Amino acid sequence: ETGVTQTPRHLVMGMTNKKSLKCEQHLGHNAMYWYKQSAKKPLELMFVYNFKEQTENNSVPSRFSPECPNSSHLFLHLHTLQPEDSALYLCASSQGSPGNEQFFGPGTRLTVL
Amino acid sequence: GQNIDQPTEMTATEGAIVQINCTYQTSGFNGLFWYQQHAGEAPTFLSYNVLDGLEEKGRFSSFLSRSKGYSYLLLKELQMKDSASYLCAVRDRAPDRGSTLGRLYFGRGTQLTVWP
Repeated sequence: ETGVTQTPRHLVMGMTNKKSLKCEQHLGHNAMYWYKQSAKKPLELMFVYNFKEQTENNSVPSRFSPECPNSSHLFLHLHTLQPEDSALYLCASSQGSPGNEQFFGPGTRLTVL
Repeated sequence: GQNIDQPTEMTATEGAIVQINCTYQTSGFNGLFWYQQHAGEAPTFLSYNVLDGLEEKGRFSSFLSRSKGYSYLLLKELQMKDSASYLCAVRDRAPDRGSTLGRLYFGRGTQLTVWP
């Protein structure tokens, strides 16, 4: 059973909507990550937070806005998305320095109409 | 950047042994991970190699050759539940990232199907 939870598990939204994805880790880790997983493509790192400070932004468009209020919670705010943003969005966490073994949540399956 | 290559699909039968290869080209190597991902589920950690050689963990083993930029995941006594995608991920060195150890770069994954 994973110690990383994500809500919602499925989300369908229009291009003009605003929605947020939530991630919570119950493992006492200090680093948290957002990844995008599209069909037939590798997992792509989007953002990294360490002790709630952003340490990595992998050239992600501004229509994706992360928020990390504390080391246990991570949000991804979405607005004016495009159909090509449809993907599985995975959250992960790790202990110690970012780059250690990561524990993944089950993901949010996002469909943009 | 990184270039990670692994086969797209493999099939095998129950009880057999399968080897999933991963080759990589990296500007700075700092470890290689294997993850298992069942359809619709989170990737789960299987193994980690940073030095050359074989790491064995039950039915699963992982091998690394840094000079060849090569790793494999060996699965023995295959079971139906082993049908999943297997992801190879390489961690690079972090030259100026302060406290971070480096970023993970993932391959596209190898979809393994185990037949009865």
